[in-house]
Amino acid sequence: AQSVAQPEDQVNVAEGNPLTVKCTYSVSGNPYLFWYVQYPNRGLQFLLKYITGDNLVKGSYGFEAEFNKSQTSFHLKKPSALVSDSALYFCAVRDKFKAAGNKLTFGGGTRVLVKP
Amino acid sequence: EAQVTQNPRYLITVTGKKLTVTCSQNMNHEYMSWYRQDPGLGLRQIYYSMNVEVTDKGDVPEGYKVSRKEKRNFPLILESPSPNQTSLYFCASSLMRDTDTQYFGPGTRLTVL
Repeated sequence: AQSVAQPEDQVNVAEGNPLTVKCTYSVSGNPYLFWYVQYPNRGLQFLLKYITGDNLVKGSYGFEAEFNKSQTSFHLKKPSALVSDSALYFCAVRDKFKAAGNKLTFGGGTRVLVKP
Repeated sequence: EAQVTQNPRYLITVTGKKLTVTCSQNMNHEYMSWYRQDPGLGLRQIYYSMNVEVTDKGDVPEGYKVSRKEKRNFPLILESPSPNQTSLYFCASSLMRDTDTQYFGPGTRLTVL
């Protein structure tokens, strides 16, 4: 079975400081990994994904994530956070060889609060 | 504009009163799915469909039904809603390759009294 853990319910960071949102995963095969962001009263917006290749993936709004196979992690990062980055962030995984119906398994979400 | 739409966005109802939440996508995607979002649990898959007339259960299908009569539409039906179905519901769609990104609708907040 595939699973995702986001160990922090909330991350607080000052504007201009680096932002990191942690994600670890478990799959039986090779993973496809995704990050989504949810702004208040909005649906989920796709940020980036790791399929294969370079372990550092760049996405929307200046975000990037690093795939680390040995640590089974896919942490989301932004070098300089903005107040507008305050939102709920979800990590998701799909098992490359197994996920029935292309199912995504989501973590519990991490709320990011960027203070001015 | 490519999008997934859901209606209604907000719904308050009472136990046992049948309801339908509609979902429509204009991207010609084969794959569609319903999720529910609950605090601390992330999103959990309810049902999915890999094409017209092809549907299957996700992780939490009890109390829900779906249909896929047309490629663009994937309604979620609660025949006898109960308070434990109070949640935020999302519809998503994608192409069929497992590397494809799923695109989500704006969500439907359902309250069952």
